[in-house]
Order: sequence, then structure tokens, then C-alpha cells
Amino acid sequence: GQQVMQIPQYQHVQEGEDFTTYCNSSTTLSNIQWYKQRPGGHPVFLIQLVKSGEVKKQKRLTFQFGEAKKNSSLHITATQTTDVGTYFCAGRLNTGTASKLTFGTGTRLQVTL
Amino acid sequence: GAVVSQHPSWVICKSGTSVKIECRSLDFQATTMFWYRQFPKQSLMLMATSNEGSKATYEQGVEKDKFLINHASLTLSTLTVTSAHPEDSSFYICSTGTTVYEQYFGPGTRLTVT
Repeated sequence: GQQVMQIPQYQHVQEGEDFTTYCNSSTTLSNIQWYKQRPGGHPVFLIQLVKSGEVKKQKRLTFQFGEAKKNSSLHITATQTTDVGTYFCAGRLNTGTASKLTFGTGTRLQVTL
Repeated sequence: GAVVSQHPSWVICKSGTSVKIECRSLDFQATTMFWYRQFPKQSLMLMATSNEGSKATYEQGVEKDKFLINHASLTLSTLTVTSAHPEDSSFYICSTGTTVYEQYFGPGTRLTVT
């Protein structure tokens, strides 16, 4: 079945440092989404990427979808303590509304002062 | 964004009993809802897709007779964990969405089976 892996599994940075998590799918995706889950909370949607090679930015966050639509990355510039949480990518094979999301293994980010 | 609620937020039950978890979409009609399970420090694993008015679609390895899903209305889906065992202890989360884009997740239900 489809597998979506993320690296690293965990990263601890000091506030102000950059952070990147990488997402790799075993199959080509129709689109990919990114979610953030705070400790004890539920996943919250961040963004969706659809086009090959697409790059989107949200303030300090930069999201990229690979040319082959099998990998993606999330880069955070100058991390803040509010960035703490687990970041999941989630891929869809199809575009239908009932098409399921396959979540990546997640990257847990810890930020300290 | 859409609002999704879950009840209860946490539940403790004895081994062998059944537990029902409700997922409600509060401000839109959801023809499809998804049920996930998340073990501590792990990813979300899709258990089943709940379809209003029809049978749920279960993922490989998920026992449909153990995890009963009912989606009787456009605003409510329920997941019943039957004959619960300690290994069923987990965080159960539902999600839905109005479009093909983002999914809105409920706050989750933490189940502990003793």
C-alpha cells in the first residue's frame, strides 16, 4: 500500500534557527497537504499543494511540492516557540471529495529559547 | 473553517465493554467523514471512511465487526468500539471537509481501556 515517510522524526532547535521536514511518498500523489498538531491537540490544516514543482509561502513557512509529485518539504525560517508541534504531510492519490488522505509519519519539532 | 465536534473527549472503560464515540459537523452537511486512530507519538492511521446512508469503507486490517460505524445523518457519524481491550486504547479522531481541499478534524476522543 501507499506509504508516506517523513524525516527527521524529531528535531530540537533553538529559537531563531531554521527547520525543515521532508516528506516522501512511495507513489505519485494528486496533491499533498500539510498539517500541524500541537501536543494534546488535533491536526490543523496548513496548506495544500497541487502542481508539480509548486512553492507556496505563509509568512515564515515555505512549502514545496516535488517535480515528480512524490515528495514535499516544509521549511520554517527563524523558528519561534509557537512553532512547537508535530508537522504531518498527507497525500492524496485522487481528487475526489471522498479520496482518503494518507498521513506521513510526522516530524516533531521542539523549540527552546 | 468548518467546525467538527466529538463526544466524549475522553473515556475510560473496562475491558470487554463497548464505547460509542460521536462525531458531529456543526455548520455543514457532511456526506463523508473519516475516522482515524493515533497512538502516542505516532501518525494518524485511517480506519474507515463513513458515508451517509451507506456502509462504511474500512481500511485493510481494521475489523469492521469490532469498530462499528454508523452515519445516519449528514451531521453525525458514530464509531462504536465493541468488546474493547487494552490494546484499543488510543486517540480517535474524526474529520470531514466541505471541499476536496482541507480536512477539518474534531478535537479527538482519548480512549483508555483498563
